[in-house]
Amino acid sequence: QSVLTQPPSVSGAPGQRVTISCTGSSSNIGTFIDVHWYQQLPGTAPKLLIFGDRHRPSGVPDRFSGSKSGTSASLAISGLQAEDEADYYCQSFDTSLNAWVFGGGTKLTV
Amino acid sequence: QVQLQESGPGLVKPSQTLSLTCTVSGGSISGGTYYWSWIRQPAGKGLEWIGRIYSSGSTNYNPSLKSRVAMSVDTSKNLFSLNLSSVTAADTAVYYCARNKANYFDYWGQGTLVTVSS
Repeated sequence: QSVLTQPPSVSGAPGQRVTISCTGSSSNIGTFIDVHWYQQLPGTAPKLLIFGDRHRPSGVPDRFSGSKSGTSASLAISGLQAEDEADYYCQSFDTSLNAWVFGGGTKLTV
Repeated sequence: QVQLQESGPGLVKPSQTLSLTCTVSGGSISGGTYYWSWIRQPAGKGLEWIGRIYSSGSTNYNPSLKSRVAMSVDTSKNLFSLNLSSVTAADTAVYYCARNKANYFDYWGQGTLVTVSS
């Protein structure tokens, strides 16, 4: 059972927009602690997609965007492409556990 | 461009110690305010942070694994290491090393599969 809750799967057609939610609690996302997102393509290591709630590292397309409200965060992907098919993980720090924590992951099917 | 590469045995017997090394290239392990972390992922499952180490040797471990984890750093060789003792089948996973920038992980190794089996 992950500390951060994500839907197991989402899907969308090419060109559409999807959102992936990440729900936490007052000991992590809700305490002004940043949320970050990773994309994991099949058989590869996770890749940083969004850091600090909404910032994209260099090279990440602006089709990917992050937001946060209260104890929840969201990753939005617009203009879906076949190559976006991957697992997506949210990540934060939990002050009660004193550990970096991840969501259970969401499999995106395009 | 920072690159990380994990290395170590792919098979460990139950009750023994899992030992992995992460070699950093393209940048100094002592440079900047970065920590260096280990993260694992059992097959078909999510990610679990194991612990992190600073170039000074200062460490932080996941409380759920703290009693079995030890990390070390060798700045002269630009690498850091993980020891996980008393392993069981539940420790079978792909182990990643990653650079810990602030509260996120910006560079990852490709991962190495470690299987615990007799």
